Amino acid sequence: GAGVSQTPSNKVTEKGKYVELRCDPISGHTALYWYRQSLGQGPEFLIYFQGTGAADDSGLPNDRFFAVRPEGSVSTLKIQRTERGDSAVYLCASSSGPGETQYFGPGTRLLVL
Amino acid sequence: QKEVEQDPGPLSVPEGAIVSLNCTYSNSAFQYFMWYRQYSRKGPELLMYTYSSGNKEDGRFTAQVDKSSKYISLFIRDSQPSDSATYLCAMSDGGNTPLVFGKGTRLSVIA
Repeated sequence: GAGVSQTPSNKVTEKGKYVELRCDPISGHTALYWYRQSLGQGPEFLIYFQGTGAADDSGLPNDRFFAVRPEGSVSTLKIQRTERGDSAVYLCASSSGPGETQYFGPGTRLLVL
Repeated sequence: QKEVEQDPGPLSVPEGAIVSLNCTYSNSAFQYFMWYRQYSRKGPELLMYTYSSGNKEDGRFTAQVDKSSKYISLFIRDSQPSDSATYLCAMSDGGNTPLVFGKGTRLSVIA
């Protein structure tokens, strides 16, 4: 079956602009996670959804970052007033439930000029 | 000190060598331990999943967890050029807590 998909695969934007990154989890997976991976680093947790609600958003770096999952499937990560330091690969993962194996998408490479 | 420490390498070995990759951690609550493989410009893919202490073997891969030392290892036997990738250790204390990753070790297997 289809894995986790993310769009766009690459996004180049200018400092101060708004961006949206989309994640389509594996069908039927109730848990969805966003991570950010900077160059030469491991993924760092941003936010976790169980169903439609954000169960843990403790990893969001500041209030410029926001994520939604209105119907419990597709999720969108939104970044306002982008900064050059936001440049990274944004990874999405889904699992069949809390504590179950997380399957990752290919990531969205965001470059803020 | 970061919660999970992993030597970033790079590590270069000849084809057929045994590779040893390691991570140390500081949080004694971690109970679930994973190794992910990440090819260039791809997302991480799960290789091994271990609960608590002990060994787990899957083909050419063996994962070891020593909770008393807070130390985990991944061994790759008969390494192949196709094993060239970044290997990430990850761990959690279970339930709905997020994974905590190491930096990743970049491995090159030379034919």
